[in-house]
Amino acid sequence: DSGVTQTPKHLITATGQRVTLRCSPRSGDLSVYWYQQSLDQGLQFLIQYYNGEERAKGNILERFSAQQFPDLHSELNLSSLELGDSALYFCASSVTGGAAGELFFGEGSRLTVL
Amino acid sequence: DAKTTQPPSMDCAEGRAANLPCNHSTISGNEYVYWYRQIHSQGPQYIIHGLKNNETNEMASLIITEDRKSSTLILPHATLRDTAVYYCIVRPFLGSARQLTFGSGTQLTVLP
Repeated sequence: DSGVTQTPKHLITATGQRVTLRCSPRSGDLSVYWYQQSLDQGLQFLIQYYNGEERAKGNILERFSAQQFPDLHSELNLSSLELGDSALYFCASSVTGGAAGELFFGEGSRLTVL
Repeated sequence: DAKTTQPPSMDCAEGRAANLPCNHSTISGNEYVYWYRQIHSQGPQYIIHGLKNNETNEMASLIITEDRKSSTLILPHATLRDTAVYYCIVRPFLGSARQLTFGSGTQLTVLP
């Protein structure tokens, strides 16, 4: 158990819909990272927040957005969903903002878009 | 950022040492070597990292060549639960999260 909690574990929705994925980092970790893993793309970095502020951005689509709240939990919002958005979405956390050491990953949220 | 090259797959007998190689011939002086693994559809798990000295922890050992152009992750006594995709990543210690990129990795299969 990494200490990172992600909900929901599974989500099935239709194209055009909007979903929210939630992540609670390990106690004391200030950074939250979001990754997308699809069959043909591998593990792709989306975005990082550190203590409530956006710190780094990867290949995140404009239809996607994220935020980190004062209690440090984070949400990833996916809108206007397309079939290609079906993937595993992982959240990770770390103590520092520089991704210096190890990242602790949650078990992921599996999104299926029909 | 330095690129890494790993074999796509390897097999190892249960109880034997698993030696997973990684080439990173363009590594810079400030870049560390990180290893993560991902057991089927679970979240990646950090294993170990190092700069130039060999490192050991409760999970594995990391051997980095003197010229730092390659490294080997050693699982001393592989078990069936070590079957996973192993990722070798090089990045600055305090680099951006964008630099923690996971490539294709090596699929290690531990055979009974």
